[in-house]
Amino acid sequence: QQQVKQSPQSLIVQKGGISIINCAYENTAFDYFPWYQQFPGKGPALLIAIRPDVSEKKEGRFTISFNKSAKQFSLHIMDSQPGDSATYFCAASTKGYSTLTFGKGTMLLVSP
Amino acid sequence: DTGVSQDPRHKITKRGQNVTFRCDPISEHNRLYWYRQTLGQGPEFLTYFQNEAQLEKSRLLSDRFSAERPKGSFSTLEIQRTEQGDSAMYLCASRLTGSYEQYFGPGTRLTVT
Repeated sequence: QQQVKQSPQSLIVQKGGISIINCAYENTAFDYFPWYQQFPGKGPALLIAIRPDVSEKKEGRFTISFNKSAKQFSLHIMDSQPGDSATYFCAASTKGYSTLTFGKGTMLLVSP
Repeated sequence: DTGVSQDPRHKITKRGQNVTFRCDPISEHNRLYWYRQTLGQGPEFLTYFQNEAQLEKSRLLSDRFSAERPKGSFSTLEIQRTEQGDSAMYLCASRLTGSYEQYFGPGTRLTVT
C-alpha cells in the first residue's frame, strides 16, 4: 500500500517558470511533511518541510502548500533555474513513528 | 555536505559474497536510519537505531541483512550471500531526538553481478 502518492512522474519547465509537484497521503497520523531534492549519484537533501498546523511555508524560491482536509501538499518552485533540475521526493512521518515514507519522485528538468 | 558520511561510496560484488557498509552520522544525532533506494523509486525504510538499540526492522530486511550500532555512534549494514536483487543505493540518515529533520548521507551504490 503506497501511503504517499506523488505526481507528476516527470516535469519539464522553462527557465523562469513555476514548477509544481503534488503529493497526497492516506495516513491521517502523519504530522511532518518534508521535501527532498536529489541529484544523480547523491543522497537526498532536505529542502523544506511543513507541519500541519500551517497551510503554507516559504523559503526563498521554494514554497510548500498544505491542505489538511484534502490530505494533500505541494511544492512550488518559483523562477525555476536549470540548477533546479533534479528528482524531488515528498515524504511524511509521524512524531511517534519517525521513519519517513516517501513518494516515488518527480524528475524535474528546467530548460534554459 | 550534511555531515553524514558513508563508506564505501560504490561496491561491486559477485552474487553470493558478503558485503558490509558503514555509516557515520552527524555527531550527537542519536537516531540513525538505513534506507534502500532502487532506480526510479523513493527511499524505502530498512531499520533504525536509537543510540545502540535497534528499535525497528522493515519486512524488507530479510534474514540475510544485519545492522549494528555497537557504541551508539557509527553503524554497519551487512548483507550476506548477496543476490542480484540486492543491487540498490543504500542510504543512511540521522536525526536528533526531539527534532523531525532527517539528514541523509551520500549513499553506497551496491552492484551485484
